[in-house]
Amino acid sequence: NAGVTQTPKFQVLKTGQSMTLQCAQDMNHEYMSWYRQDPGMGLRLIHYSVGAGITDQGEVPNGYNVSRSTTEDFPLRLLSAAPSQTSVYFCASSPPSTGGAMNTGELFFGEGSRLTVL
Amino acid sequence: DAKTTQPPSMDCAEGRAANLPCNHSTISGNEYVYWYRQIHSQGPQYIIHGLKNNETNEMASLIITEDRKSSTLILPHATLRDTAVYYCIVRVHYNQGGKLIFGQGTELSVKP
Repeated sequence: NAGVTQTPKFQVLKTGQSMTLQCAQDMNHEYMSWYRQDPGMGLRLIHYSVGAGITDQGEVPNGYNVSRSTTEDFPLRLLSAAPSQTSVYFCASSPPSTGGAMNTGELFFGEGSRLTVL
Repeated sequence: DAKTTQPPSMDCAEGRAANLPCNHSTISGNEYVYWYRQIHSQGPQYIIHGLKNNETNEMASLIITEDRKSSTLILPHATLRDTAVYYCIVRVHYNQGGKLIFGQGTELSVKP
């Protein structure tokens, strides 16, 4: 298993440009989410999804769109990039916490995508 | 989800036990305590979680007070590779989806 794969790892944009950060997982996890992390800060939840076709907003959703057409993929779209969106973005996935000693509800994170908006 | 409070930074000597505290005084009866760590801007890594009993795995031990208002993560023999930011998170275990609300965490520095 590759786990959670994020692309690209690095990206530089100009203000107003659009782009999509890709996230894919091969663990058949139902839950996926996007976080951003600014320098010296903890992670903040942008959007999350509990299954294909279902998405919801997190703590800081403004300026970002998501969709979940398949279980495997959860892309994050920036429609008009702003310097305030310069950050490191992490995608995560998790199986549903349906109980049992072996199911910890653990989130598995990708390696991050570093975005700079000039 | 209940809010957590952690010290911003701690030091620990290599080979000694690292004890990282966390306060969660507003925790509800169905909320679990989770610990994650983040090593130098990598993606966070799950360490351990618990409800009310003390828990131990190959990475760490989790001690939760009887009133559940605070907990301590213990790394029994800290190594330089344990230098990281440690996050204490309180969440409902089931049907929470991919949501984790991170605080500022504790930056642990393990020194030779």
